[in-house]
Amino acid sequence: GESVGLHLPTLSVQEGDNSIINCAYSNSASDYFIWYKQESGKGPQFIIDIRSNMDKRQGQRVTVLLNKTVKHLSLQIAATQPGDSAVYFCAENTVRFGNEKLTFGTGTRLTIIP
Amino acid sequence: DAGVIQSPRHEVTEMGQEVTLRCKPISGHDYLFWYRQTMMRGLELLIYFNNNVPIDDSGMPEDRFSAKMPNASFSTLKIQPSEPRDSAVYFCASSRHPSGNTIYFGEGSWLTVV
Repeated sequence: GESVGLHLPTLSVQEGDNSIINCAYSNSASDYFIWYKQESGKGPQFIIDIRSNMDKRQGQRVTVLLNKTVKHLSLQIAATQPGDSAVYFCAENTVRFGNEKLTFGTGTRLTIIP
Repeated sequence: DAGVIQSPRHEVTEMGQEVTLRCKPISGHDYLFWYRQTMMRGLELLIYFNNNVPIDDSGMPEDRFSAKMPNASFSTLKIQPSEPRDSAVYFCASSRHPSGNTIYFGEGSWLTVV
């Protein structure tokens, strides 16, 4: 029978435009968040992180926004390039039975159109 | 720094065979993680170690899976006996601490069980 996989949200953006990838997290007690980029055939690669005592952090061409009120995280990529095409994951640091670990979202596939 | 090193990169094995995946974490990182990535379930944490001691193995699917970390520079994930549903990409990752520090991933071991 047909296998059913995760429905990966997709986003297509024209090269040079800005992109915004959104993520909802589940645990209001989470205190640390990371965005990862995964290119085809490779492992997830760190992009940018943010602690819960901040609501914005900027890197090179990337900005992460954190809205703790609605438990929402976003990644903004400015002036997108073909190399930005990848799957982007948000991850939240959670505490389970006293142990900390990162829990990953399902990811968003970003395609940059030349 | 060489990054997290995994081997083999690709493995195809027959159902019932034993599979051993290997990982060398980044030197100086006290935490080592094993993740599994599939289309059905996304990126899942299987187990993680702190200073070579398993801390949280609640993500290990069943007794067929086992992980060891005999020293600070080496870990194995073993599946015995393997089944077709174990087919996935297995990632090893390491960090200085899961909270507030970046987790660095290896390139993954692509396992196919036929």
